[in-house]
Amino acid sequence: DAGVIQSPRHEVTEMGQEVTLRCKPISGHDYLFWYRQTMMRGLELLIYFNNNVPIDDSGMPEDRFSAKMPNASFSTLKIQPSEPRDSAVYFCASSFTQVETEAFFGQGTRLTVV
Amino acid sequence: KNQVEQSPQSLIILEGKNCTLQCNYTVSPFSNLRWYKQDTGRGPVSLTIMTFSENTKSNGRYTATLDADTKQSSLHITASQLSDSASYICVVSAGGTSYGKLTFGQGTILTVHP
Repeated sequence: DAGVIQSPRHEVTEMGQEVTLRCKPISGHDYLFWYRQTMMRGLELLIYFNNNVPIDDSGMPEDRFSAKMPNASFSTLKIQPSEPRDSAVYFCASSFTQVETEAFFGQGTRLTVV
Repeated sequence: KNQVEQSPQSLIILEGKNCTLQCNYTVSPFSNLRWYKQDTGRGPVSLTIMTFSENTKSNGRYTATLDADTKQSSLHITASQLSDSASYICVVSAGGTSYGKLTFGQGTILTVHP
């Protein structure tokens, strides 16, 4: 397996534009997590899914953020409209049902909103 | 509120020396504690996972300890190498109704000098 795959690796967009980040979890993993990482706040959980169902989205900062998981092999995180303060590295991670197993992270998407 | 606090924020050591990183948490109910290593520009990679009943776990030159009573963990690195330079992140996984949810510490940035 190629691991968790995120795209794009880098995204530069203008304020007000819609941004869509994509994630392909490891096959067979039942949990999928979206995180945001900044220098100031470190890693923050935005939302996580179990079997494609959103379980906890309390970390989603505003209504401008939305996440979907239409099937077990694909998830998106959308920001509309984007703002400069959304600039960060966004990570997707996945893990097996059993919590006592490690979560595997993707390489991240570095988002810059200008 | 579930929190994970790490210390020190940053650490500089000479190659070949040992070091210990600390992690205190308030996550409850507790499921497991993980230490991740994050190289610059890459996603975190798991070093160890420890459940409630485990006090010590080793992975090569990395040894993690866990005191579930005091809610403290440490990561000891023996005979450091230049490649150990990275951010080390303590992550606690919740149980109960928050099953699967991860809370991240801010990380300790370790720099190993020759």
